[in-house]
Amino acid sequence: DVKVTQSSRYLVKRTGEKVFLECVQDMDHENMFWYRQDPGLGLRLIYFSYDVKMKEKGDIPEGYSVSREKKERFSLILESASTNQTSMYLCASSLYIDSLQGMNTEAFFGQGTRLTVV
Amino acid sequence: TQLLEQSPQFLSIQEGENLTVYCNSSSVFSSLQWYRQEPGEGPVLLVTVVTGGEVKKLKRLTFQFGDARKDSSLHITAAQPGDTGLYLCAGEPNSGSARQLTFGSGTQLTVLP
Repeated sequence: DVKVTQSSRYLVKRTGEKVFLECVQDMDHENMFWYRQDPGLGLRLIYFSYDVKMKEKGDIPEGYSVSREKKERFSLILESASTNQTSMYLCASSLYIDSLQGMNTEAFFGQGTRLTVV
Repeated sequence: TQLLEQSPQFLSIQEGENLTVYCNSSSVFSSLQWYRQEPGEGPVLLVTVVTGGEVKKLKRLTFQFGDARKDSSLHITAAQPGDTGLYLCAGEPNSGSARQLTFGSGTQLTVLP
């Protein structure tokens, strides 16, 4: 089975702390993504990566950074946590088929990390 | 960013009823995926539709991709409590170089026994 594993299910951090959210996938997928999920807003893309050491900003990158040193691992970093970053964070990976037009296969998600910043 | 709007946002129905959930955009997508998310879990793929006008069936669930590939619908026949969850549509941009999915805001479905 494809597995995307997020390091923590629940985290409570203080305002101003540096927070690391780790994500590991075991399917050799090129693409990895970090989303945050808030009620009524769906999934919003923070950052994504399609190769080691490559990263692209998503729709809401402010206040976040990422690291992809190895293909299987994609880390999300909150440099200085703030209360408005309290949310559910979801990591996902997918395979990219580099055919004539290119196509992404399904995204496999981790179970999520519910982060509370107090 | 290509936006996807889902409606309704919330839906509560009795077991045995039928329902339809909509996913609309002004943008064209090369493919569209439907996911279901249960509490405390990540979304799980239900289906991918690729061709304009395509209809796919998954037991009691019927998915349709609009002819212009700008919209999609999910129809559930004789809903059961096990269908309860958050239904998300996600579109793949029409440009060949983009790899990220754009997600809709979701439809929270509750099926009451």
